[in-house]
Formats: sequence, C-alpha cells, structure tokens
Amino acid sequence: KNEVEQSPQNLTAQEGEFITINCSYSVGISALHWLQQHPGGGIVSLFMLSSGKKKHGRLIATINIQEKHSSLHITASHPRDSAVYICAVPYNTDKLIFGTGTRLQVFP
Amino acid sequence: KAGVTQTPRYLIKTRGQQVTLSCSPISGHRSVSWYQQTPGQGLQFLFEYFSETQRNKGNFPGRFSGRQFSNSRSEMNVSTLELGDSALYLCASSSLARFNNEQFFGPGTRLTVL
Repeated sequence: KNEVEQSPQNLTAQEGEFITINCSYSVGISALHWLQQHPGGGIVSLFMLSSGKKKHGRLIATINIQEKHSSLHITASHPRDSAVYICAVPYNTDKLIFGTGTRLQVFP
Repeated sequence: KAGVTQTPRYLIKTRGQQVTLSCSPISGHRSVSWYQQTPGQGLQFLFEYFSETQRNKGNFPGRFSGRQFSNSRSEMNVSTLELGDSALYLCASSSLARFNNEQFFGPGTRLTVL
C-alpha cells in the first residue's frame, strides 16, 4: 500500500464544474503539499497546509489531520486548470513522498 | 526574484555514459532537493542538500550522486547510465531545511538514455 493515495486518478469535467481531488496518507505528518504539474513538466506549489483550510482564488485546500485526509477543490473550473495535481507529504521530515497524481481535463 | 533554474533542459545520452545536471535555487534558499519522475514510478525523492551537506538520500543506487556549492547551486551526477534512467529530473529549493516549508520547483531536465 502506498503511503500517499490520491483519488480519482483521472477526472474529466465541463467548464464551470466544481472539482474535488482527494489525498489520504498513512504516515504522521507536519504539513501537506498540493502541487500542480502542466504538460511540459514544470511543477508549481499550490498550497502547503498543516491544519484547517486555505484558499487562493478558485482553489481551496482542506486537511483533517486526525483522519489523515486532505482535499483540493476547484470552483468554477476552467480549461486552463487542466493539469496533473499531486499531493506530497514529508516523511519523517527527511524527504517528500508523493501521491500518484490526479490528471484533470476540463473541457469548454 | 528569479525562480529555480535547471540546465540543461533536455539531454540525450547513450548507455554507459555519465551526465551532470545543474540546479540554481532561488536567491537566499539554502535547501535544494532532487527528484526523479518516470511514468512507471511517479515522483521519487533522490536527495536533499542544505548548506553544502547532503542531509538525506532516497532509495537510489550509488550511481546517483550530488553536491552543493557554497552559493547553494547544486549538481547531480549519474554515472554508467542505464535505459531506466530516462526520466524528468526536477530540483526544488526552499529557504529552510526539512519539508514542512514551501518548495519551489525548477522546470526540470528531461534525460533520454539511448
């Protein structure tokens, strides 16, 4: 079993839809990262959170430390949101371990 | 502030050769970490450097090595290349050591081994 699991693996949406991507982890953590990777490879850090909720524009990230679960929500999705979304957690603060990613495609 | 830069962006090598990749972190950042991304294994941690010291290393063979210079720039080296080393190699920088700080990723170096 992977220490970081994401669901769904693939997601297709129509422009304007509300999107939810889930991340569950089995290790104790001090923080969780949500990353976005566009075709071509570059990775952008969207959020780092250790409790509660963070919001940036149309993106919202939540985390429940007790349940070892985090969600990334995208409101009013747009084709430019099409990307792979990856959650990552520090393992013993020594390294980052990554989920397998969720590939999102938003169609006009 | 300039972002994290990686050179070269693309590289083609043949089996048995060696390769050196470079990463320049954001100015003031002292932590640089390296990752390998392949379609089969996803993103995997290679190693992390902080103030010229390797703090941690992932589960990779000794053919993978790295170093960090006094200006925080980092290089990773892969010797005796194998076909399976074909991957996107990413580095990330952070102002502090450990990974409960925001990580800033470079654009990556795509290595193809023929």
